[in-house]
Order: sequence, then C-alpha cells, then structure tokens
Amino acid sequence: DAKTTQPNSMESNEEEPVHLPCNHSTISGTDYIHWYRQLPSQGPEYVIHGLTSNVNNRMASLAIAEDRKSSTLILHRATLRDAAVYYCIPHNNAGNMLTFGGGTRLMVKP
Amino acid sequence: ETGVTQSPTHLIKTRGQQVTLRCSSQSGHNTVSWYQQALGQGPQFIFQYYREEENGRGNFPPRFSGLQFPNYSSELNVNALELDDSALYLCASSLGGTGDYGYTFGSGTRLTVV
Repeated sequence: DAKTTQPNSMESNEEEPVHLPCNHSTISGTDYIHWYRQLPSQGPEYVIHGLTSNVNNRMASLAIAEDRKSSTLILHRATLRDAAVYYCIPHNNAGNMLTFGGGTRLMVKP
Repeated sequence: ETGVTQSPTHLIKTRGQQVTLRCSSQSGHNTVSWYQQALGQGPQFIFQYYREEENGRGNFPPRFSGLQFPNYSSELNVNALELDDSALYLCASSLGGTGDYGYTFGSGTRLTVV
C-alpha cells in the first residue's frame, strides 16, 4: 500500500477555506485517492475520491497534482461541523481495503 | 436511501465469551467490509465480503469470522474474546470493493471486554 503523510493537525477559522494536504509519493498508477473524515464518536464519512483529474462534489473539492504524488482536499467554507479527523487514503483499484493512517485533525474556530 | 445500520450500538462481554455483531448495508451495495478501531487509532481492516464470499482479509486471527447474506447484510463473529478486542467495530458497504467506489460507514458497535 502507498504510504501517506499528512499534518497531524490544522486550524481554521469558520467560513474560511481550508486546504488539507496529503503526500503519497509511492502511489501506484491504479490507486484512487480517497478522502474520509471522522467526527467524534462516529464512523468515518466518505468525502470524495479521484484518480487523475480534479473532482468536485457538494462537500469538497479534490485537487490532484499532475504527478499524483500529492493531493489537497479543499473545504470551501469551513463550518464548526467540519471539525474532524481527515484521512487521505490511496486505494488500489484491484484492492479491497482502506488503510487508514494517522490523518489530520482539523479544528475550526468560531 | 438508507445508510449503513449496525447493531447493537454498545456491548459488554466477558473475556472468553463469543460475540456477534450485525450490519445492514446501504441499499444497492453488494460489498461489506469490517474494521476495528481501537481508542485513539485509525480503523484497521478485518475482512471484506463481496456477494457472500470473503474477498480479502487483514491481519486478524481466525477467531474473527464473518458472513454475508443474500440480502448483502453481514455479521462479524469473534470467538474467545480477549481484553484487547475492546474497540469500536465499523461496518462499511460499497457498490464494489475496488478503488473506484466510495464506502459508506456505519456508526459502529462499541465492544467492551471485561
């Protein structure tokens, strides 16, 4: 499995954009990049995933570097409900498991 | 559409006992995965079922076993419980188990072994 590096924690102000980085320099060509978040006392929640092109959905945007060795999850306007641990996970298209690392704990200040 | 439902939400068992945890997958999803999350850690993959067959297993001993039923719901069974089995057990469903599908997680079952 590709290894990931994420900041342990980040802080943001409410209603400001947040850019959460992830390095995955050992990613293979068939690995999708998944992002999940986990709020306290809940199961992980799917946020977004992509392969090569940037992706947008109602929750967030995913910007993938041209060489695919890094990606950035973008929350366009942080709210207090976005405070969570965010996990970046390369997932091989032929594989069957998500390998969770330490993630980034996002704190949102009012 | 309904999400993933797990039962029970909390459970206390004694060391050496057996436990069965249940999961109803999201409507239309044919793949179910189980994860164990110890306090303060990220989830660890236990195994995955695709159309009633085991489709991959993580580094867990054979006393962790599972089933998937024709309606794609699933059970996780743990025999001979140990204190270290105390954790949050998460079920996740998807349209397929590969990287091009996102996973929907349940809220988990909190198991305490005393």
